[in-house]
Amino acid sequence: AIRMTQSPSSFSASTGDRVTITCRASQGISSYLAWYQQKPGKAPKLLIYAASTLQSGVPSRFSGSGSGTDFTLTISCLQSEDFATYYCQQYYSYPPVLTFGGGTKVEIK
Amino acid sequence: QVQLVESGGGVVQPGGSLRLSCAASGFTFSSYGMHWVRQAPGKGLEWVAFIRYDGSNKYYADSVKGRFTISRDNSKNTLYLQMNSLRAEDTAVYYCAKDSRPHEAASYYFDYWGQGTLVTVSS
Repeated sequence: AIRMTQSPSSFSASTGDRVTITCRASQGISSYLAWYQQKPGKAPKLLIYAASTLQSGVPSRFSGSGSGTDFTLTISCLQSEDFATYYCQQYYSYPPVLTFGGGTKVEIK
Repeated sequence: QVQLVESGGGVVQPGGSLRLSCAASGFTFSSYGMHWVRQAPGKGLEWVAFIRYDGSNKYYADSVKGRFTISRDNSKNTLYLQMNSLRAEDTAVYYCAKDSRPHEAASYYFDYWGQGTLVTVSS
């Protein structure tokens, strides 16, 4: 199965900061990558798909980039509601064996 | 609006069985593939299974293959997960999730999720 590795696993940031989360695939996955946000006790929420396409209703301060094996999620100006855990997910393999990164927790500094 | 409501979770002994349900509304259920995704306490997300919109194809994670069965009843707008031979490591919140594209164009990422149901496997 394709392994997805996120870094860092957690970090602290302040409101207004620009933050970047990295996701690396163990093999090339073209642009078949999605990003999700999860808050404690809640279901994940889709932010980005196809590596860089913003899901409808998601604020434009979120952006994604990358292809092949290396991907990034950027939050341009961190807001209080953005403190959460973020997961990447590859959907390249077929038959589908879908895998997630281990998550990146963004905490308040 | 899309709603997915899971039920059927609870405490079960190792080796036991449980059936989860997911009631869907707000979209044409019979047009979309559906997934189960789980999350062990304090851990990350793990995809469990997928079923095509018409039920004709099913795919499973290796960790549950041969023990879990995904199914659906399009007349009842309901997704199921039959879990047999349960192990302690199956303890998790189980989410049902909707595929983002209909019919044969399944995308294999998830645009809507339910609130989850907790399964605890313990003696």
